[in-house]
Amino acid sequence: DAKTTQPTSMDCAEGRAANLPCNHSTISGNEYVYWYRQIHSQGPQYIIHGLKNNETNEMASLIITEDRKSSTLILPHATLRDTAVYYCIVIAAGGTSYGKLTFGQGTILTVHP
Amino acid sequence: KAGVTQTPRYLIKTRGQQVTLSCSPISGHRSVSWYQQTPGQGLQFLFEYFSETQRNKGNFPGRFSGRQFSNSRSEMNVSTLELGDSALYLCASQGGFSNNYGYTFGSGTRLTVV
Repeated sequence: DAKTTQPTSMDCAEGRAANLPCNHSTISGNEYVYWYRQIHSQGPQYIIHGLKNNETNEMASLIITEDRKSSTLILPHATLRDTAVYYCIVIAAGGTSYGKLTFGQGTILTVHP
Repeated sequence: KAGVTQTPRYLIKTRGQQVTLSCSPISGHRSVSWYQQTPGQGLQFLFEYFSETQRNKGNFPGRFSGRQFSNSRSEMNVSTLELGDSALYLCASQGGFSNNYGYTFGSGTRLTVV
């Protein structure tokens, strides 16, 4: 699976949009970009995923560049409860990851009042 | 739809003992993988089971083992516990193509070795 690079930490004011970047320059054509977040001492929670097109759900939006080498997770109106570690990972289609997901250190997002 | 269930939630063991952790995947999911999370090493892959067979294994000593039952429930065992085994142990289930290969994680078991 391709490796990902994320900033170590980011801050955001409550009510503002949080834009979390991720670099995955070695991504393969059959690999999806997934975003998870982890609140202290809980399991990672799925946020959103995409292959080529931009995606939006009730939690966030995912913008993937045309060359697929980077992406941005957007939390449109951050709240204090969005304070967490955010992980960007790539997962190969076809189930060939066989359970092995490569988590980097993620981005610690702190939302301030 | 019930999520991934891990039991127990917290566990305290003494060095040298062994421990068994349990994971019940989402109904219909046949793949279960296990991770160890520590502050220093982050999330590290232990192993993955599919249809009662171990398909993939991470770089952990043989003291760490697992198994999967015919109902897809999985257990992991750690023998001869060491202080460094203190960690949050997470399991994740995967539903295959219908889930776009995404993984759903449980809340984890917090193991403390004293």
